[in-house]
Formats: sequence, structure tokens, C-alpha cells
Amino acid sequence: GAVVSQHPSWVICKSGTSVKIECRSLDFQATTMFWYRQFPKQSLMLMATSNEGSKATYEQGVEKDKFLINHASLTLSTLTVTSAHPEDSSFYICSARWEGLLEQYFGPGTRLTVT
Amino acid sequence: KQEVTQIPAALSVPEGENLVLNCSFTDSAIYNLQWFRQDPGKGLTSLLLIQSSQREQTSGRLNASLDKSSGRSTLYIAASQPGDSATYLCAVIGGSQGNLIFGKGTKLSVKP
Repeated sequence: GAVVSQHPSWVICKSGTSVKIECRSLDFQATTMFWYRQFPKQSLMLMATSNEGSKATYEQGVEKDKFLINHASLTLSTLTVTSAHPEDSSFYICSARWEGLLEQYFGPGTRLTVT
Repeated sequence: KQEVTQIPAALSVPEGENLVLNCSFTDSAIYNLQWFRQDPGKGLTSLLLIQSSQREQTSGRLNASLDKSSGRSTLYIAASQPGDSATYLCAVIGGSQGNLIFGKGTKLSVKP
């Protein structure tokens, strides 16, 4: 089956610093990648959709200047949380799919804690 | 706007029981519906995917049904085991970009 990895699996950073999370599709070319966020005891909420080679589309309420998404290749998308604050602490999960198929494959998630 | 609701929010059963988890969605115009399992602090494991033209899917002790017209899906777990303890998420593809819209999940606890 299709495998998606995320790195790091967890990260602790100080308030005001930036953190980059990588999402890789290991055995397929992901034309579309999604970034979700999950707060404790809440469900996953879509943050943004990125298509290879184009700008990401952000959901309402998600600051595009704060959450920078780059999908420069068919196997890699990155999410950079800039000037992180404690309220950004959450579980970030990416998913990927290839063109023409609706099924998404999820990464294992990244736990971000901002102190 | 598509909304997905899961009932109950939490469920505790003794080992061996059969159980049903419920999922409802407000907009019947979906491409597919997917059930996931999430263990604490972990990512998602896809359990079953039902395409909009299908009515059910089965995998081992799991059976998922889909009734688009009524906006409902159920996940049936037969002969539950302690290892089934996890949060079960229901999601539909409803966004214009093919993103998944998730319910809040049902936290299942199977007692030995």
C-alpha cells in the first residue's frame, strides 16, 4: 500500500521560533497533499490543500502567512509554522493522493508543542 | 456546508460483544465515505472505504454500510477485542478539492 511519512514525529519549540514539518510520499507521486490539524479531543480539521507546483489553498481562518506550505515536488510537501505560539500546539497530520484517485493516504502525524 | 456527526462520543463494552458505531452527514452528495481508526497520539489507519455507488464494505470483523439518501453510515464490529480499543473516525469527501471532512469520532473501550 501507499506509504506517507512525516518528520519529525514530535517537536518542542520556544514561542516565537519557526518549525518545519515534512510530509513525504514514499512509493507514489502525490499530486495533491492535504494538511490537517487536530486539537485535543477534537477531530481533524483541514488547514490547506497543496497541489504540486502551485500555491496552497487555505481554509477560512487559517493564516497563510503563518502556516507556510510548499509542495515543490511530487513526493514532498512542507508545512512551516512561523513565529509559533503556544496556541499553535497541536497534532499536525498530512495526507497525500495521486491524480485521478480520491483515496488519501495519511502520514503518522507530528506533535508540536510550543513552550 | 457538509457536517459529519458521530454518535456516541464514547462507548465501553465487554470483550466479545458486537457493536455498532454511527455516522451521519448533512449533504448526501458525497464521493465516498471512509472509516478510520486512531490510537492515542498516533496517526490514522484506514479501515474501510465505501464509494458512493456502494452500500457496504467488509474487512474481517468489520462491516461498514452506507445509505446516502438518509445521510448515514454504520460501522459494525463483531466479537470485539481489547485491541479494538481506539477512536474511530468517520469522514466523507465533500470539499471541492477532494478533502476529507471528519466527524469528532467515537472513543471505543473494550474491557477484557
